Amino acid sequence: GAGVSQSPSNKVTEKGKDVELRCDPISGHTALYWYRQSLGQGLEFLIYFQGNSAPDKSGLPSDRFSAERTGGSVSTLTIQRTQQEDSAVYLCASSPAKGNIQYFGAGTRLSVL
Amino acid sequence: DQQVKQNSPSLSVQEGRISILNCDYTNSMFDYFLWYKKYPAEGPTFLISISSIKDKNEDGRFTVFLNKSAKHLSLHIVPSQPGDSAVYFCAASYYGGSQGNLIFGKGTKLSVKP
Repeated sequence: GAGVSQSPSNKVTEKGKDVELRCDPISGHTALYWYRQSLGQGLEFLIYFQGNSAPDKSGLPSDRFSAERTGGSVSTLTIQRTQQEDSAVYLCASSPAKGNIQYFGAGTRLSVL
Repeated sequence: DQQVKQNSPSLSVQEGRISILNCDYTNSMFDYFLWYKKYPAEGPTFLISISSIKDKNEDGRFTVFLNKSAKHLSLHIVPSQPGDSAVYFCAASYYGGSQGNLIFGKGTKLSVKP
């Protein structure tokens, strides 16, 4: 498909386990963003990748969170030792080289029991 | 502290009437604003944007107004249709329309009744 693809769409895990969330951006988009939306909240910025530059990690809530983007395309967000407060919808977006209209995937709903 | 605020969590409007969604911001460094629409179980989709050098931008039934002195923007939908029922997010950026993270409000749920 032509849009941003995220997998899995739903993930249930036990507290303390590690999880990996995947994002496949729109082909040719140079920027990739991760956000999360907790219940009743707006989207909270997590991390931003731009081309080959060092990522902007300023939104990551703790060192349990990390992300990488391989080959300037697919990105993986990893949460180690998950906690119940990590339960949220994790959204990935990408944008082209010019402009800041971000195109979002459908998200991964993470539930930590 | 929230930099982008949408103070109305919900709004109900009759089909055919105008919907007005409001957004306030606190950071005067913001120079680009966007509205996104979100249906359940889907990601947000871009609706309309405005640069701080403008005070109005129009696209079909959707118009965004920006009042910089009041740090306020609004989205007008005329006429409202039942398919417009969704959560609307206001977002702001420091990057003048170039790439960079967006700061989102909490959203307003719009219900358009037939």
